[in-house]
This record gives sequence, C-alpha cells and structure tokens, in this order.
Amino acid sequence: SQQGEEDPQALSIQEGENATMNCSYKTSINNLQWYRQNSGRGLVHLILIRSNEREKHSGRLRVTLDTSKKSSSLLITASRAADTASYFCATDGKGDNYGQNFVFGPGTRLSVLP
Amino acid sequence: DAGVTQSPTHLIKTRGQQVTLRCSPKSGHDTVSWYQQALGQGPQFIFQYYEEEERQRGNFPDRFSGHQFPNYSSELNVNALLLGDSALYLCASSHGGAETQYFGPGTRLLVL
Repeated sequence: SQQGEEDPQALSIQEGENATMNCSYKTSINNLQWYRQNSGRGLVHLILIRSNEREKHSGRLRVTLDTSKKSSSLLITASRAADTASYFCATDGKGDNYGQNFVFGPGTRLSVLP
Repeated sequence: DAGVTQSPTHLIKTRGQQVTLRCSPKSGHDTVSWYQQALGQGPQFIFQYYEEEERQRGNFPDRFSGHQFPNYSSELNVNALLLGDSALYLCASSHGGAETQYFGPGTRLLVL
C-alpha cells in the first residue's frame, strides 16, 4: 500500500493564482520530498524537507511538514502555465538503513489555465 | 553532464514474452533504483542495486529481476509478461546514501 496520499487528486487554477497540495503519510519518516512529472515522463526533484524541519522555501515553492499530523503541504505561488504537471510526495521510511526506498503517493494533477 | 538515460523509450510485447529495460545512471552515481508507474498512479518501488547487488526489494514477484554492471548501469528484466505489467518503468540514480534520486525519462511498456 502507498505511504503517501496527495490531496486533492486534481486541481485547476488560473495563471497567477497560488496552488496548494497536501500529502499525508502513515509511518515515521527520515524526510519527505516533492517531485513533479510532466506528461508521464521522468520525475523532477523539487524540494526535500527533513523530519526535524517545519518549513522550507525554494523560489516560488514553499513546503511545510507537520510530523505530529503526518502531513505535508506544497504551495506554488504565482502559478504559471508551465507549472501544469502531476506532483508527488515521496517519503523515506525511518529506520531504513539505506534511506532510498521511496514510497510515492498517487499524485495531484495540477492544471494552470492561461 | 548527461543525466539518467533509459532505453528503449517505448516497447510493445505480448503476454508471456520477456523484456529487458536498460538504464545508465547520472555521472558519479553508483546506486540505481527501478520503479513501476501504472497510468494515473504514483511510482511503485521495484528494487535497488548498489555495488552490483540487489540491496532492497519492493513487493514485486520474482518475474522481476535485475542486474547492475561494474560501470553502474543496470537492467530490469521481466519474464512471463502479463497485461498488468503495462506501465511506465522509471530508473533513478543516486550516489551512495544520498537522499535525492534523479530520474530518467522512463520506458513505456505495453503488453498486448
């Protein structure tokens, strides 16, 4: 079963608006990462947040992590048509010695309309 | 600096056949992971190779096997193909215990 669950499954907004996606997970983690995927191609790494961090920024991206609620959110500000893609959260299970067995959620499909 | 490359980009097979997918990791990376992504779903971890050994394995049957070569490139083999094996197969590479994986463009497999 998948660890992460993104919400909503699909999101449609106008260019310039902000987009917020949420991710919930079930077990303790070392870190949580967000990836973007365009049109069923390879995944592009966006940002990593560690379990001892609460918020992280990268350009127009803002990620928060609440380990007590086992949830994370990804905020994309001032969205552009080029942000149209599927967004996935991936968790790295705590206690995993190699820390590389990512568990992905089903993703949020974001459509940014011009 | 080339990123992760995969071949072929697309493949069509029939049930019962066998398939081999190939992956070359990003320069400087020594760890390769394989994922299966069904349409509309997130990637599912198949297995990971490091130093030519399978280091971790997800919940996939023995029909799925792999190999890593001394130059760190890797192959994914799937035997006795089923219709349900139709998916995008993604390869990701990283260096040792690095937290971030870099993904290739994937191989889209269609089983008829």
